[in-house]
Amino acid sequence: AQKVTQAQTEISVVEKEDVTLDCVYETRDTTYYLFWYKQPPSGELVFLIRRNSFDEQNEISGRYSWNFQKSTSSFNFTITASQVVDSAVYFCALSENFGNEKLTFGTGTRLTIIP
Amino acid sequence: NAGVMQNPRHLVRRRGQEARLRCSPMKGHSHVYWYRQLPEEGLKFMVYLQKENIIDESGMPKERFSAEFPKEGPSILRIQQVVRGDSAAYFCASSPRQATIMNTEAFFGQGTRLTVV
Repeated sequence: AQKVTQAQTEISVVEKEDVTLDCVYETRDTTYYLFWYKQPPSGELVFLIRRNSFDEQNEISGRYSWNFQKSTSSFNFTITASQVVDSAVYFCALSENFGNEKLTFGTGTRLTIIP
Repeated sequence: NAGVMQNPRHLVRRRGQEARLRCSPMKGHSHVYWYRQLPEEGLKFMVYLQKENIIDESGMPKERFSAEFPKEGPSILRIQQVVRGDSAAYFCASSPRQATIMNTEAFFGQGTRLTVV
């Protein structure tokens, strides 16, 4: 069975600091997809990234970067120069079955950026 | 192109009443997914539907919950005889043809927050 673990329940950092959110996953499949979503206080889910299991290249998008390591089954998310607007709950998710976008979510990490 | 639309955004029901949550997928999307987020928890998959078909309902509670996605109109998640434990945020996501899953993300609606009093 697939599983996503976000061991960090809550993180607080001072504004402008860098912060890394950890995500470890379990799956039996060789083909799978990993996602990160942001859930701000308003409650909606904001898609951040999707990564397939064949692409281990790290990705950078502005202040956001993701480190995918199959060897450790991890897909960590780093925010550099954090800002107050980054305060949210962040979810890592896994999709295992081809053709079925059923997502297995981690329990989320609540990130608070202190001004 | 409007995103996934869910309504109502907030719904209050007394114990024993019925709750109906609606989800209109993005234009051109024929696959709908429902997830439930209990307070302070992550999202849990409930059901996956295509037009007029339930593909995977492995996450649906065995009783009181049902879902449909008719040929015309929105997808409906129906909860009969609601109890306090049904209080949660219910999210709907849609995606286009099955074969394109790998090239798209699931587009989520803004959720319906159900409160049972």
